[in-house]
Amino acid sequence: DGGITQSPKYLFRKEGQNVTLSCEQNLNHDAMYWYRQDPGQGLRLIYYSQIVNDFQKGDIAEGYSVSREKKESFPLTVTSAQKNPTAFYLCASSIDSGVVVSDGYTFGSGTRLTVV
Amino acid sequence: AQKITQTQPGMFVQEKEAVTLDCTYDTSDPSYGLFWYKQPSSGEMIFLIYQGSYDQQNATEGRYSLNFQKARKSANLVISASQLGDSAMYFCAMRESPNFGNEKLTFGTGTRLTIIP
Repeated sequence: DGGITQSPKYLFRKEGQNVTLSCEQNLNHDAMYWYRQDPGQGLRLIYYSQIVNDFQKGDIAEGYSVSREKKESFPLTVTSAQKNPTAFYLCASSIDSGVVVSDGYTFGSGTRLTVV
Repeated sequence: AQKITQTQPGMFVQEKEAVTLDCTYDTSDPSYGLFWYKQPSSGEMIFLIYQGSYDQQNATEGRYSLNFQKARKSANLVISASQLGDSAMYFCAMRESPNFGNEKLTFGTGTRLTIIP
Protein backbone atom coordinates (compact mmCIF):
# COMPACT_ATOMS: atom_id res chain seq x y z
CA ASP A 1 0.00 0.00 0.00
CA GLY A 2 1.16 3.53 -0.72
CA GLY A 3 1.96 5.90 2.07
CA ILE A 4 4.52 7.97 3.91
CA THR A 5 7.07 6.42 6.24
CA GLN A 6 8.78 8.46 8.91
CA SER A 7 11.64 7.12 10.96
CA PRO A 8 12.55 6.83 13.69
CA LYS A 9 9.36 7.10 15.73
CA TYR A 10 11.31 8.36 18.76
CA LEU A 11 14.65 10.16 18.68
CA PHE A 12 16.82 11.48 21.45
CA ARG A 13 19.45 14.12 20.81
CA LYS A 14 22.17 15.49 22.98
CA GLU A 15 22.80 19.19 23.16
CA GLY A 16 24.95 20.35 20.23
CA GLN A 17 24.26 17.37 17.99
CA ASN A 18 22.73 17.35 14.54
CA VAL A 19 20.09 14.72 13.87
CA THR A 20 18.32 13.72 10.68
CA LEU A 21 14.69 12.66 10.45
CA SER A 22 13.74 10.44 7.56
CA CYS A 23 10.65 10.82 5.37
CA GLU A 24 9.93 8.50 2.42
CA GLN A 25 6.79 8.33 0.26
CA ASN A 26 5.73 5.91 -2.46
CA LEU A 27 2.65 7.85 -3.55
CA ASN A 28 4.39 9.51 -6.49
CA HIS A 29 3.51 12.86 -4.95
CA ASP A 30 5.30 15.93 -6.23
CA ALA A 31 5.28 18.07 -3.10
CA MET A 32 6.56 17.25 0.36
CA TYR A 33 6.41 19.19 3.61
CA TRP A 34 7.82 19.20 7.11
CA TYR A 35 5.77 20.48 10.04
CA ARG A 36 6.62 20.93 13.67
CA GLN A 37 3.97 20.46 16.36
CA ASP A 38 4.23 21.87 19.87
CA PRO A 39 1.46 21.62 22.46
CA GLY A 40 -1.16 24.33 21.98
CA GLN A 41 0.43 25.71 18.82
CA GLY A 42 -0.91 23.47 16.09
CA LEU A 43 1.32 22.62 13.14
CA ARG A 44 3.90 25.05 11.86
CA LEU A 45 5.61 24.71 8.49
CA ILE A 46 9.38 24.27 8.52
CA TYR A 47 10.29 23.56 4.88
CA TYR A 48 8.55 22.38 1.76
CA SER A 49 9.57 21.12 -1.65
CA GLN A 50 7.50 21.17 -4.82
CA ILE A 51 10.02 19.44 -7.11
CA VAL A 52 13.26 17.52 -6.88
CA ASN A 53 16.35 19.60 -6.09
CA ASP A 54 14.26 22.57 -4.99
CA PHE A 55 12.83 23.57 -1.62
CA GLN A 56 11.60 26.68 0.19
CA LYS A 57 11.63 27.88 3.75
CA GLY A 58 8.44 27.81 5.71
CA ASP A 59 7.51 29.88 8.73
CA ILE A 60 10.09 28.45 11.16
CA ALA A 61 13.08 27.29 9.06
CA GLU A 62 15.85 28.62 11.31
CA GLY A 63 17.98 25.81 12.72
CA TYR A 64 16.74 23.25 10.19
CA SER A 65 17.96 22.04 6.80
CA VAL A 66 16.50 19.75 4.14
CA SER A 67 17.39 18.11 0.85
CA ARG A 68 15.31 16.72 -2.02
CA GLU A 69 17.59 14.61 -4.16
CA LYS A 70 14.87 12.08 -4.99
CA LYS A 71 11.16 12.51 -5.48
CA GLU A 72 10.45 9.90 -2.82
CA SER A 73 12.64 11.30 -0.06
CA PHE A 74 12.69 14.54 1.94
CA PRO A 75 14.94 14.24 5.01
CA LEU A 76 15.01 16.94 7.67
CA THR A 77 18.15 17.76 9.65
CA VAL A 78 17.74 19.44 12.99
CA THR A 79 20.98 21.30 13.56
CA SER A 80 22.63 22.45 16.76
CA ALA A 81 21.48 25.96 15.85
CA GLN A 82 17.89 25.01 16.66
CA LYS A 83 17.62 26.16 20.27
CA ASN A 84 14.46 24.32 21.23
CA PRO A 85 14.17 21.22 19.05
CA THR A 86 12.05 19.08 21.37
CA ALA A 87 8.80 18.62 19.47
CA PHE A 88 6.73 16.28 17.32
CA TYR A 89 7.69 16.40 13.64
CA LEU A 90 5.29 15.48 10.87
CA CYS A 91 6.11 14.92 7.23
CA ALA A 92 3.43 15.22 4.56
CA SER A 93 3.05 15.02 0.81
CA SER A 94 0.55 16.12 -1.81
CA ILE A 95 -0.03 15.41 -5.48
CA ASP A 96 0.73 18.91 -6.71
CA SER A 97 1.02 22.03 -4.65
CA GLY A 98 0.87 24.35 -7.64
CA VAL A 99 -2.41 23.68 -9.38
CA VAL A 100 -5.27 21.95 -7.65
CA VAL A 101 -6.43 23.66 -4.50
CA SER A 102 -8.61 20.75 -3.41
CA ASP A 103 -5.79 18.27 -2.83
CA GLY A 104 -5.25 17.51 0.77
CA TYR A 105 -2.13 16.13 2.34
CA THR A 106 -1.10 12.62 3.28
CA PHE A 107 0.79 12.57 6.56
CA GLY A 108 3.36 10.25 8.05
CA SER A 109 3.01 8.95 11.59
CA GLY A 110 5.54 11.43 12.97
CA THR A 111 8.84 11.50 14.84
CA ARG A 112 9.02 12.63 18.45
CA LEU A 113 12.35 14.34 19.08
CA THR A 114 13.60 14.93 22.60
CA VAL A 115 16.76 16.76 23.63
CA VAL A 116 18.48 15.12 26.59
CA ALA B 1 -2.97 37.93 11.77
CA GLN B 2 -4.10 34.36 12.26
CA LYS B 3 -5.36 32.75 9.09
CA ILE B 4 -7.16 29.95 10.93
CA THR B 5 -8.71 30.44 14.35
CA GLN B 6 -10.04 27.66 16.56
CA THR B 7 -11.36 29.22 19.75
CA GLN B 8 -12.16 26.03 21.68
CA PRO B 9 -8.98 24.56 23.21
CA GLY B 10 -10.96 21.69 24.72
CA MET B 11 -14.47 20.25 24.71
CA PHE B 12 -16.23 17.53 26.68
CA VAL B 13 -19.26 15.89 25.10
CA GLN B 14 -21.53 13.06 26.21
CA GLU B 15 -21.42 9.96 24.05
CA LYS B 16 -24.07 9.87 21.31
CA GLU B 17 -24.57 13.61 21.35
CA ALA B 18 -23.72 15.82 18.39
CA VAL B 19 -20.77 18.20 18.67
CA THR B 20 -19.74 21.30 16.74
CA LEU B 21 -16.11 22.36 16.53
CA ASP B 22 -15.61 25.98 15.53
CA CYS B 23 -13.26 27.29 12.87
CA THR B 24 -12.98 30.76 11.35
CA TYR B 25 -10.55 31.74 8.64
CA ASP B 26 -9.11 34.82 7.02
CA THR B 27 -8.25 35.14 3.35
CA SER B 28 -8.71 37.54 0.45
CA ASP B 29 -8.24 34.74 -2.08
CA PRO B 30 -11.54 33.87 -3.83
CA SER B 31 -10.32 30.31 -4.40
CA TYR B 32 -9.43 28.29 -1.33
CA GLY B 33 -10.06 24.98 0.35
CA LEU B 34 -10.85 24.14 3.94
CA PHE B 35 -9.91 20.86 5.60
CA TRP B 36 -10.50 19.12 8.89
CA TYR B 37 -8.05 16.60 10.31
CA LYS B 38 -8.29 14.31 13.32
CA GLN B 39 -5.20 13.52 15.39
CA PRO B 40 -5.56 10.63 17.87
CA SER B 41 -3.10 10.23 20.72
CA SER B 42 -0.90 8.09 18.45
CA GLY B 43 -0.06 11.22 16.48
CA GLU B 44 -1.04 10.50 12.92
CA MET B 45 -3.16 13.05 11.05
CA ILE B 46 -6.36 11.63 9.60
CA PHE B 47 -8.15 13.57 6.87
CA LEU B 48 -11.87 13.95 7.64
CA ILE B 49 -13.54 16.35 5.24
CA TYR B 50 -12.93 19.02 2.61
CA GLN B 51 -14.89 22.10 1.51
CA GLY B 52 -14.01 24.17 -1.54
CA SER B 53 -14.77 27.89 -1.59
CA TYR B 54 -16.93 27.52 -4.68
CA ASP B 55 -18.86 24.49 -3.46
CA GLN B 56 -22.54 25.30 -3.25
CA GLN B 57 -23.41 22.62 -0.74
CA ASN B 58 -21.94 21.81 2.63
CA ALA B 59 -19.59 18.83 2.54
CA THR B 60 -20.59 15.60 4.29
CA GLU B 61 -18.64 12.41 4.97
CA GLY B 62 -20.51 9.87 7.02
CA ARG B 63 -20.99 11.28 10.54
CA TYR B 64 -18.96 14.38 9.65
CA SER B 65 -20.41 17.47 8.05
CA LEU B 66 -18.98 20.90 7.48
CA ASN B 67 -21.16 23.92 8.22
CA PHE B 68 -19.73 26.36 5.67
CA GLN B 69 -20.81 30.00 6.06
CA LYS B 70 -18.76 31.84 3.48
CA ALA B 71 -19.86 35.38 4.32
CA ARG B 72 -18.92 34.84 7.94
CA LYS B 73 -15.70 32.99 6.96
CA SER B 74 -16.72 30.11 9.13
CA ALA B 75 -16.18 26.37 8.55
CA ASN B 76 -17.41 24.47 11.59
CA LEU B 77 -17.13 20.70 11.83
CA VAL B 78 -20.21 18.85 13.03
CA ILE B 79 -19.90 15.30 14.32
CA SER B 80 -23.22 13.54 14.73
CA ALA B 81 -23.83 10.77 17.28
CA SER B 82 -20.40 11.03 18.88
CA GLN B 83 -18.51 7.88 19.83
CA LEU B 84 -15.73 7.19 22.33
CA GLY B 85 -13.33 6.78 19.41
CA ASP B 86 -13.93 10.39 18.42
CA SER B 87 -11.81 11.55 21.37
CA ALA B 88 -8.82 13.26 19.72
CA MET B 89 -7.36 16.59 18.63
CA TYR B 90 -9.12 18.18 15.68
CA PHE B 91 -7.45 20.66 13.37
CA CYS B 92 -8.97 23.02 10.86
CA ALA B 93 -6.71 23.95 7.93
CA MET B 94 -6.85 26.13 4.84
CA ARG B 95 -5.15 26.01 1.49
CA GLU B 96 -5.22 29.07 -0.76
CA SER B 97 -4.64 29.15 -4.49
CA PRO B 98 -1.15 29.19 -6.03
CA ASN B 99 -1.84 32.61 -7.55
CA PHE B 100 -1.73 34.04 -4.06
CA GLY B 101 1.56 32.34 -3.39
CA ASN B 102 0.36 30.53 -0.32
CA GLU B 103 -0.86 27.16 -1.50
CA LYS B 104 0.51 25.44 1.56
CA LEU B 105 -1.81 24.16 4.26
CA THR B 106 -2.12 26.52 7.23
CA PHE B 107 -3.40 24.98 10.45
CA GLY B 108 -5.30 26.26 13.42
CA THR B 109 -4.20 25.49 16.98
CA GLY B 110 -6.66 22.65 17.34
CA THR B 111 -9.48 21.55 19.67
CA ARG B 112 -9.10 18.61 22.01
CA LEU B 113 -12.38 16.70 22.04
CA THR B 114 -13.14 14.25 24.84
CA ILE B 115 -16.18 12.00 24.62
CA ILE B 116 -17.63 11.03 28.00
CA PRO B 117 -19.29 7.59 28.32
